Amino acid sequence: EDKVVQSPLSLVVHEGDTVTLNCSYEVTNFRSLLWYKQEKKAPTFLFMLTSSGIEKKSGRLSSILDKKELFSILNITATQTGDSAIYLCAVSSGSARQLTFGSGTQLTVLP
Amino acid sequence: SAVISQKPSRDICQRGTSLTIQCQVDSQVTMMFWYRQQPGQSLTLIATANQGSEATYESGFVIDKFPISRPNLTFSTLTVSNMSPEDSSIYLCSVDGVDTGFGYEQYFGPGTRLTVT
Repeated sequence: EDKVVQSPLSLVVHEGDTVTLNCSYEVTNFRSLLWYKQEKKAPTFLFMLTSSGIEKKSGRLSSILDKKELFSILNITATQTGDSAIYLCAVSSGSARQLTFGSGTQLTVLP
Repeated sequence: SAVISQKPSRDICQRGTSLTIQCQVDSQVTMMFWYRQQPGQSLTLIATANQGSEATYESGFVIDKFPISRPNLTFSTLTVSNMSPEDSSIYLCSVDGVDTGFGYEQYFGPGTRLTVT
């Protein structure tokens, strides 16, 4: 059974701090890893990672995948209160197109 | 990315009743997915809906409880039947976006927050 584990479960920081969120996985026939931001109900797509060592970047957010060690990190620099959200990691495996999600990291950024 | 809408946005229902949630996409998609997110939990896949065939349900979810329709390539419904308080959740539909060759980016609708009293 595919498994995705995120850490920490929750994190409280102050504006301007840099945070690193972790995602490890155990899946059969890995295809891709996806990061989402969930503020209210709908998860918003952030990144899709398929190859090791290639950083994906969007503004203050960046992410990288290590397929040998089976993990990914999501970095947020110069955090803002608007970054407060649950960050979800999900994995796609095999020929299936559905995603297996981790439990999420609740990030709170204080002013 | 596809634009996805869901109706209703939220509802409060009495136990024993049923609610049908609609998901509309602005472009034709092959597969649509229905997820559930119980309070404080992550997303769990309920079923995958292909147009023209029966939905495929994940372990722990059955058609009698969560019947799904997929009449065309832009629309699907999920019904939560004979509801109990344990069905109180956010229900999300999602669709495949770009095929990167290594998998699909997947996009989510705005969700339906269901409370069962």
